[in-house]
Amino acid sequence: ETGVTQSPTHLIKTRGQQVTLRCSSQSGHNTVSWYQQALGQGPQFIFQYYREEENGRGNFPPRFSGLQFPNYSSELNVNALELDDSALYLCASSFRLAGVRGYEQYFGPGTRLTVT
Amino acid sequence: AQSVTQLGSHVSVSEGALVLLRCNYSSSVPPYLFWYVQYPNQGLQLLLKYTSAATLVKGINGFEAEFKKSETSFHLTKPSAHMSDAAEYFCAVSARITGANSKLTFGKGITLSVRP
Repeated sequence: ETGVTQSPTHLIKTRGQQVTLRCSSQSGHNTVSWYQQALGQGPQFIFQYYREEENGRGNFPPRFSGLQFPNYSSELNVNALELDDSALYLCASSFRLAGVRGYEQYFGPGTRLTVT
Repeated sequence: AQSVTQLGSHVSVSEGALVLLRCNYSSSVPPYLFWYVQYPNQGLQLLLKYTSAATLVKGINGFEAEFKKSETSFHLTKPSAHMSDAAEYFCAVSARITGANSKLTFGKGITLSVRP
C-alpha cells in the first residue's frame, strides 16, 4: 500500500510569485485535505476536495486554490505569494463512502515553502 | 465551531517516567478526537483516535487516551517514557456528523522532551 506522497520537498520562492504543490493520495482514498503549518504552530485547514469538488474551506484567501484529479491526486496553488505564506504545507488523504464520512486522515511528509 | 486547547507548550520528563499531555476540546457537535505525533522535518503520524466506541483508547507505541465528555478532555498518557518519544504532539478534533467534511482542527502542539 502506497502512502501519501508530496512534491517537492522544499521550495524557495520570491514574494509575488506563484507556486504549485502536489500530492498523491494513499491508494484507495478519495478525499484530500490541505493544511498549512507555520513554524511553532499546529496545522491550519486550508480546504478539502472530494470527487474533484471543494468540500469545505478554512479561513484562507482566494489566492489559495486547489484541484483534485480523477485519480484523486491533488494540487495546491498559491498566487501572489506573501512572506507569511512561508510554512510547511501538509496534504492528507482519507476515504469517504456515500452516507458515511471518512474520519481518519493520513498525512504526507509535507512541502516546506520559504518565501523571500 | 470546534477548538482545541493544549496546555503548556513544552513538557519534559525523565526516561521511564509517566508521560501526560493534556488536551481540552470545544465542539458544538459530537466530536472525533485524535492525537498525532510529528518528528522533526516530518509529517504527522496518527497515534490514536476516539470515534465514539470505547472511551479509553489505546494507540501505537504504548500511548493511550481517555475521552471524558464531562470534562471535555482527551489527555494522552504513556506509563513509561522512552527516548524515542521525544517529538511534537498535536491533539485534533473533527465533527462526528454525517455529511460534514472531515477537516481537523488542531491545537498548537506540545513538545515532549525525554531526559536520560
